Amino acid sequence: EDQVTQSPEALRLQEGESSSLNCSYTVSGLRGLFWYRQDPGKGPEFLFTLYSAGEEKEKERLKATLTKKESFLHITAPKPEDSATYLCAVQANSNYQLIWGAGTKLIIKP
Amino acid sequence: DVKVTQSSRYLVKRTGEKVFLECVQDMDHENMFWYRQDPGLGLRLIYFSYDVKMKEKGDIPEGYSVSREKKERFSLILESASTNQTSMYLCASSSYTRGATVEQYFGPGTRLTVT
Repeated sequence: EDQVTQSPEALRLQEGESSSLNCSYTVSGLRGLFWYRQDPGKGPEFLFTLYSAGEEKEKERLKATLTKKESFLHITAPKPEDSATYLCAVQANSNYQLIWGAGTKLIIKP
Repeated sequence: DVKVTQSSRYLVKRTGEKVFLECVQDMDHENMFWYRQDPGLGLRLIYFSYDVKMKEKGDIPEGYSVSREKKERFSLILESASTNQTSMYLCASSSYTRGATVEQYFGPGTRLTVT
């Protein structure tokens, strides 16, 4: 069964304290992996798409990486405005629906 | 910028009422989606549409129907609202590129409460 698991469920960091969020997946052939950011009461906002193992993408303090089993979202020197829930989703070769993880709630304290 | 709008941010309805949620996108996207989001469960797909008047069931279609009469508009209908349909409803759209992977763009969501 295709599945996406995100860890941890919640992460509290001090401003400037770098860390990583994990998205592990088991799918029958990966077509693409997506990262989204979601602020409270709002819809998810697209961040990155990764297609193959070894690929990396960066945006400001965020860097996403991909292996054959998991993806990491690294956050470097985070600021309070980086606080949000980060969602991971996977598209399998079998169809074009997305399989979503439950998200990691990131809290950055000033 | 892609813009996806939803008709209401907050909605309170009574059990048994018929509820309409509307979604409009302005990027000429072929695909449109309706999800519900509940704490700890992630996003679950209710229905999606890949063309006007075309629809396919997602993972949890029971109790819902959809309508897509125009390319830019996708409506979600709760035929007879029940308390277990209290949730955040998210609409999304994406372009179609055969064999390719494309990101979905989301609206702001509708927080529906059924009492």
